[in-house]
Amino acid sequence: QKEVEQNSGPLSVPEGAIASLNCTYSDRGSQSFFWYRQYSGKSPELIMSIYSNGDKEDGRFTAQLNKASQYVSLLIRDSQPSDSATYLCAVRRNNDMRFGAGTRLTVKP
Amino acid sequence: GAVVSQHPSWVICKSGTSVKIECRSLDFQATTMFWYRQFPKQSLMLMATSNEGSKATYEQGVEKDKFLINHASLTLSTLTVTSAHPEDSSFYICSATTGTYYEQYFGPGTRLTVT
Repeated sequence: QKEVEQNSGPLSVPEGAIASLNCTYSDRGSQSFFWYRQYSGKSPELIMSIYSNGDKEDGRFTAQLNKASQYVSLLIRDSQPSDSATYLCAVRRNNDMRFGAGTRLTVKP
Repeated sequence: GAVVSQHPSWVICKSGTSVKIECRSLDFQATTMFWYRQFPKQSLMLMATSNEGSKATYEQGVEKDKFLINHASLTLSTLTVTSAHPEDSSFYICSATTGTYYEQYFGPGTRLTVT
Protein backbone atom coordinates (compact mmCIF):
# COMPACT_ATOMS: atom_id res chain seq x y z
CA GLN A 1 0.00 0.00 0.00
CA LYS A 2 1.36 3.40 -0.96
CA GLU A 3 1.75 5.89 1.87
CA VAL A 4 -0.19 8.57 0.02
CA GLU A 5 -2.58 7.57 -2.73
CA GLN A 6 -4.24 9.70 -5.33
CA ASN A 7 -6.20 8.89 -8.43
CA SER A 8 -3.82 9.72 -11.26
CA GLY A 9 -6.61 10.95 -13.51
CA PRO A 10 -6.85 12.66 -15.80
CA LEU A 11 -9.85 14.35 -14.26
CA SER A 12 -11.71 16.49 -16.74
CA VAL A 13 -14.35 19.04 -15.74
CA PRO A 14 -16.05 21.82 -17.69
CA GLU A 15 -15.30 25.43 -16.91
CA GLY A 16 -17.38 26.68 -13.99
CA ALA A 17 -17.89 23.23 -12.48
CA ILE A 18 -16.60 21.92 -9.16
CA ALA A 19 -13.47 19.78 -9.35
CA SER A 20 -13.08 17.24 -6.56
CA LEU A 21 -9.66 15.77 -5.85
CA ASN A 22 -9.16 12.98 -3.35
CA CYS A 23 -6.27 11.59 -1.35
CA THR A 24 -5.89 8.79 1.19
CA TYR A 25 -2.94 8.15 3.48
CA SER A 26 -1.77 5.18 5.48
CA ASP A 27 -0.02 6.71 8.51
CA ARG A 28 -2.52 7.40 11.28
CA GLY A 29 0.07 9.52 13.06
CA SER A 30 0.13 12.07 10.25
CA GLN A 31 -0.06 15.60 11.55
CA SER A 32 -0.33 18.04 8.66
CA PHE A 33 -1.83 17.83 5.20
CA PHE A 34 -1.09 19.92 2.14
CA TRP A 35 -2.23 20.41 -1.42
CA TYR A 36 0.22 21.57 -4.07
CA ARG A 37 -0.44 22.60 -7.64
CA GLN A 38 2.16 21.85 -10.31
CA TYR A 39 1.92 23.24 -13.79
CA SER A 40 3.71 21.33 -16.54
CA GLY A 41 7.43 22.08 -16.47
CA LYS A 42 7.20 24.05 -13.24
CA SER A 43 7.83 23.27 -9.59
CA PRO A 44 5.01 22.63 -7.07
CA GLU A 45 3.24 25.56 -5.46
CA LEU A 46 1.57 25.30 -2.06
CA ILE A 47 -2.11 26.18 -2.32
CA MET A 48 -3.72 24.77 0.83
CA SER A 49 -2.76 23.35 4.20
CA ILE A 50 -5.03 21.74 6.78
CA TYR A 51 -4.23 20.42 10.21
CA SER A 52 -7.52 19.49 11.92
CA ASN A 53 -10.66 17.64 10.95
CA GLY A 54 -13.25 19.54 8.97
CA ASP A 55 -13.23 22.03 6.15
CA LYS A 56 -10.90 24.91 5.42
CA GLU A 57 -11.82 27.41 2.76
CA ASP A 58 -9.57 29.81 0.87
CA GLY A 59 -11.18 31.58 -2.04
CA ARG A 60 -12.34 29.00 -4.57
CA PHE A 61 -10.47 26.21 -2.78
CA THR A 62 -11.80 24.08 0.08
CA ALA A 63 -9.72 21.42 1.77
CA GLN A 64 -11.49 18.71 3.74
CA LEU A 65 -9.84 16.43 6.27
CA ASN A 66 -11.20 13.30 7.92
CA LYS A 67 -8.52 11.72 10.09
CA ALA A 68 -10.71 8.79 11.12
CA SER A 69 -11.07 7.79 7.47
CA GLN A 70 -7.49 8.90 6.65
CA TYR A 71 -8.85 10.97 3.84
CA VAL A 72 -8.17 14.48 2.60
CA SER A 73 -9.78 16.19 -0.36
CA LEU A 74 -9.59 19.42 -2.31
CA LEU A 75 -12.58 21.06 -3.92
CA ILE A 76 -12.12 23.73 -6.55
CA ARG A 77 -15.25 25.76 -7.18
CA ASP A 78 -15.93 27.63 -10.40
CA SER A 79 -13.08 25.81 -12.10
CA GLN A 80 -11.12 27.80 -14.65
CA PRO A 81 -8.91 26.63 -17.52
CA SER A 82 -6.00 28.12 -15.58
CA ASP A 83 -6.65 25.51 -12.87
CA SER A 84 -5.53 22.81 -15.31
CA ALA A 85 -2.49 21.29 -13.62
CA THR A 86 -1.36 18.32 -11.57
CA TYR A 87 -2.43 18.47 -7.93
CA LEU A 88 -0.19 16.83 -5.37
CA CYS A 89 -1.38 15.72 -1.96
CA ALA A 90 1.28 15.77 0.78
CA VAL A 91 1.14 14.34 4.28
CA ARG A 92 3.55 15.13 7.10
CA ARG A 93 4.54 13.36 10.29
CA ASN A 94 7.23 15.15 12.29
CA ASN A 95 9.80 16.24 9.70
CA ASP A 96 8.90 13.56 7.18
CA MET A 97 6.71 14.66 4.28
CA ARG A 98 5.32 12.18 1.78
CA PHE A 99 3.82 13.16 -1.56
CA GLY A 100 1.23 11.40 -3.63
CA ALA A 101 1.87 10.86 -7.32
CA GLY A 102 -0.61 13.60 -8.21
CA THR A 103 -3.91 13.93 -10.03
CA ARG A 104 -3.93 15.63 -13.40
CA LEU A 105 -6.85 18.02 -13.76
CA THR A 106 -8.05 19.45 -17.05
CA VAL A 107 -10.66 22.21 -17.08
CA LYS A 108 -12.26 22.51 -20.50
CA PRO A 109 -13.53 25.91 -21.69
CA GLY B 1 6.93 35.54 2.12
CA ALA B 2 8.48 32.04 2.01
CA VAL B 3 10.36 32.47 -1.25
CA VAL B 4 12.91 29.91 -2.36
CA SER B 5 15.27 30.53 -5.24
CA GLN B 6 17.40 28.16 -7.27
CA HIS B 7 20.35 28.83 -9.49
CA PRO B 8 20.85 28.10 -12.29
CA SER B 9 17.37 27.60 -13.74
CA TRP B 10 18.82 25.43 -16.47
CA VAL B 11 22.21 24.02 -17.30
CA ILE B 12 23.73 21.95 -20.05
CA CYS B 13 26.94 20.11 -19.32
CA LYS B 14 29.10 17.47 -20.90
CA SER B 15 29.23 13.91 -19.67
CA GLY B 16 31.83 13.45 -16.95
CA THR B 17 31.73 17.00 -15.63
CA SER B 18 30.24 18.20 -12.35
CA VAL B 19 27.41 20.65 -11.86
CA LYS B 20 26.50 22.62 -8.74
CA ILE B 21 22.96 23.79 -8.05
CA GLU B 22 22.23 26.37 -5.35
CA CYS B 23 19.06 26.62 -3.30
CA ARG B 24 18.37 29.68 -1.17
CA SER B 25 15.57 30.67 1.16
CA LEU B 26 15.26 34.40 0.54
CA ASP B 27 13.06 35.69 3.33
CA PHE B 28 13.20 33.04 6.03
CA GLN B 29 15.59 30.73 7.76
CA ALA B 30 14.99 27.16 6.68
CA THR B 31 15.24 24.50 9.35
CA THR B 32 15.43 21.80 6.74
CA MET B 33 15.96 21.70 2.99
CA PHE B 34 15.02 18.93 0.62
CA TRP B 35 16.21 17.92 -2.82
CA TYR B 36 13.91 16.25 -5.32
CA ARG B 37 14.29 14.94 -8.83
CA GLN B 38 11.49 14.69 -11.33
CA PHE B 39 11.57 12.98 -14.71
CA PRO B 40 9.07 13.99 -17.40
CA LYS B 41 5.50 13.00 -16.58
CA GLN B 42 6.60 11.31 -13.36
CA SER B 43 6.06 12.22 -9.73
CA LEU B 44 8.50 13.94 -7.41
CA MET B 45 11.22 11.72 -6.07
CA LEU B 46 12.85 12.76 -2.80
CA MET B 47 16.62 12.44 -3.05
CA ALA B 48 17.80 13.73 0.30
CA THR B 49 17.00 15.80 3.35
CA SER B 50 19.50 18.20 4.83
CA ASN B 51 19.72 20.21 8.02
CA GLU B 52 22.09 23.10 8.46
CA GLY B 53 25.49 22.03 9.70
CA SER B 54 24.90 18.31 9.52
CA LYS B 55 25.23 15.58 6.92
CA ALA B 56 22.38 15.02 4.53
CA THR B 57 20.14 12.00 4.85
CA TYR B 58 19.82 10.27 1.50
CA GLU B 59 16.88 8.20 0.34
CA GLN B 60 17.44 4.58 -0.50
CA GLY B 61 18.97 4.14 -3.93
CA VAL B 62 20.43 7.65 -4.14
CA GLU B 63 24.22 7.63 -4.39
CA LYS B 64 25.57 10.04 -1.82
CA ASP B 65 29.00 10.14 -3.46
CA LYS B 66 27.44 11.18 -6.74
CA PHE B 67 24.97 13.71 -5.39
CA LEU B 68 26.87 15.82 -2.89
CA ILE B 69 24.78 18.02 -0.64
CA ASN B 70 26.16 20.85 1.46
CA HIS B 71 23.90 22.80 3.79
CA ALA B 72 26.26 25.52 4.92
CA SER B 73 23.77 27.92 6.45
CA LEU B 74 20.11 28.31 7.33
CA THR B 75 19.49 29.94 3.95
CA LEU B 76 21.70 28.00 1.54
CA SER B 77 21.97 24.40 0.41
CA THR B 78 23.85 23.14 -2.62
CA LEU B 79 23.56 19.98 -4.67
CA THR B 80 26.55 18.93 -6.75
CA VAL B 81 26.04 16.27 -9.39
CA THR B 82 29.47 14.74 -9.83
CA SER B 83 30.64 12.99 -13.00
CA ALA B 84 27.31 13.63 -14.64
CA HIS B 85 25.95 11.21 -17.22
CA PRO B 86 23.06 11.57 -19.66
CA GLU B 87 20.81 9.52 -17.36
CA ASP B 88 21.23 12.27 -14.73
CA SER B 89 19.37 14.66 -17.01
CA SER B 90 16.30 15.66 -15.06
CA PHE B 91 14.43 18.47 -13.29
CA TYR B 92 16.00 19.06 -9.88
CA ILE B 93 13.87 20.90 -7.34
CA CYS B 94 14.73 22.01 -3.84
CA SER B 95 12.34 22.92 -1.06
CA ALA B 96 12.67 24.42 2.38
CA THR B 97 10.61 24.23 5.52
CA THR B 98 9.88 26.79 8.14
CA GLY B 99 7.48 27.32 10.94
CA THR B 100 5.49 25.12 13.21
CA TYR B 101 3.70 23.14 10.55
CA TYR B 102 6.71 22.39 8.36
CA GLU B 103 5.03 23.32 5.12
CA GLN B 104 7.49 22.97 2.27
CA TYR B 105 8.11 25.81 -0.14
CA PHE B 106 9.64 24.85 -3.44
CA GLY B 107 12.23 26.59 -5.54
CA PRO B 108 11.54 27.04 -9.26
CA GLY B 109 13.69 24.06 -10.20
CA THR B 110 16.81 23.48 -12.26
CA ARG B 111 16.64 21.64 -15.54
CA LEU B 112 19.84 19.68 -16.10
CA THR B 113 20.77 18.28 -19.49
CA VAL B 114 23.88 16.15 -19.77
CA THR B 115 25.17 15.65 -23.31
